[in-house]
Amino acid sequence: DAGVIQSPRHEVTEMGQEVTLRCKPISGHDYLFWYRQTMMRGLELLIYFNNNVPIDDSGMPEDRFSAKMPNASFSTLKIQPSEPRDSAVYFCASSWSSGDGQPQHFGDGTRLSIL
Amino acid sequence: GDSVTQMEGPVTLSEEAFLTINCTYTATGYPSLFWYVQYPGEGLQLLLKATKADDKGSNKGFEATYRKETTSFHLEKGSVQVSDSAVYFCALSAEYGNKLVFGAGTILRVKS
Repeated sequence: DAGVIQSPRHEVTEMGQEVTLRCKPISGHDYLFWYRQTMMRGLELLIYFNNNVPIDDSGMPEDRFSAKMPNASFSTLKIQPSEPRDSAVYFCASSWSSGDGQPQHFGDGTRLSIL
Repeated sequence: GDSVTQMEGPVTLSEEAFLTINCTYTATGYPSLFWYVQYPGEGLQLLLKATKADDKGSNKGFEATYRKETTSFHLEKGSVQVSDSAVYFCALSAEYGNKLVFGAGTILRVKS
């Protein structure tokens, strides 16, 4: 079975440019999560969706960040304009809501470098 | 609020040594508990889980027991290999919304 698919795997761009990260969750999963991982701050939850609806975006650092989930099989995280401090690895994860102890399944991440 | 505390790393062991990574938690209700592993350049992978008190999760020689009385979920392995070198995250399920609360992660380095 295909896991969570993220693209691109690596992105290098200049400060001020718009960056779009993409995620395809596991088919049938109804929760989708976006995380950011840095050495300084560790793993941070940015936003999560349930049935394509944003439930909690309190982790989104500022208005430059936005996320959408137009359908059950696709989500984007956009940064506009990007800044060097946004450099990090961004992970998408998905899970199924049924039953106790449902784990989250992670993609391999997008390594973002803002110059 | 809910939180997870892991022992600080890095933990450096020789091959075939015994491994313990401590994890304690604070939570309302009765969370499920997880250990995830992250190899270099990859995403987090579920290693094992336990959904209720006294449950033992196990996988690939790793084990952890859900101890409600001590609010702990320590990860153990009897004999580590170089290939176990990775970052290990302890996590609990928040009360609502399938969210996970992660610990800070513990780096494990195994020397041959």
